[in-house]
Amino acid sequence: GAGVSQSPSNKVTEKGKDVELRCDPISGHTALYWYRQSLGQGLEFLIYFQGNSAPDKSGLPSDRFSAERTGGSVSTLTIQRTQQEDSAVYLCASSLGLPSYLSNQPQHFGDGTRLSIL
Amino acid sequence: DQQVKQNSPSLSVQEGRISILNCDYTNSMFDYFLWYKKYPAEGPTFLISISSIKDKNEDGRFTVFLNKSAKHLSLHIVPSQPGDSAVYFCAASTQGGSEKLVFGKGTKLTVNP
Repeated sequence: GAGVSQSPSNKVTEKGKDVELRCDPISGHTALYWYRQSLGQGLEFLIYFQGNSAPDKSGLPSDRFSAERTGGSVSTLTIQRTQQEDSAVYLCASSLGLPSYLSNQPQHFGDGTRLSIL
Repeated sequence: DQQVKQNSPSLSVQEGRISILNCDYTNSMFDYFLWYKKYPAEGPTFLISISSIKDKNEDGRFTVFLNKSAKHLSLHIVPSQPGDSAVYFCAASTQGGSEKLVFGKGTKLTVNP
């Protein structure tokens, strides 16, 4: 597809279970980002990938959160032992990721995964 | 510590008039600013951006103004259309780092026919 694709679109799970969220970035985009939006809040940065490496993990809220990216494309965000405060919309974005001195590149977002922890 | 602030949670304008959405930031290291539009149950859609080396960028009905000394930017939509009704997010980043975006909490724009 032409845009960023995320799956599943909705996920309901019980507290304590592990969940895995998937992101397919726009083809050719080397930079990939995860954000989340909790109820009534703005978008909050979680982690950034350039290629397969994650130079900035500063937004991950706890060690229950992890993410990986393989082949410079698909990324998965995993939340272990989910808690009710993990309920949010998890958004993935991608950008061309060119060096910043060449040009500024906007991030393009998927429609998100709405995660509900019961 | 909210680095990007959108102080108006909502704005209502008449179709055909100008919509002005405002955004303030506190981090002087920010040098790239973006506006996104978001419909319910969809991801944010990129609208327009501006680099700190400029003070204005225009794209069709959308113009973004940047006042670095006041750490303020605004988005002007002229003329406003009912289809513009959405939540608008201001975002900022620092180039040369991870380029992560720092978002405001959004302004809900309603354009009345």
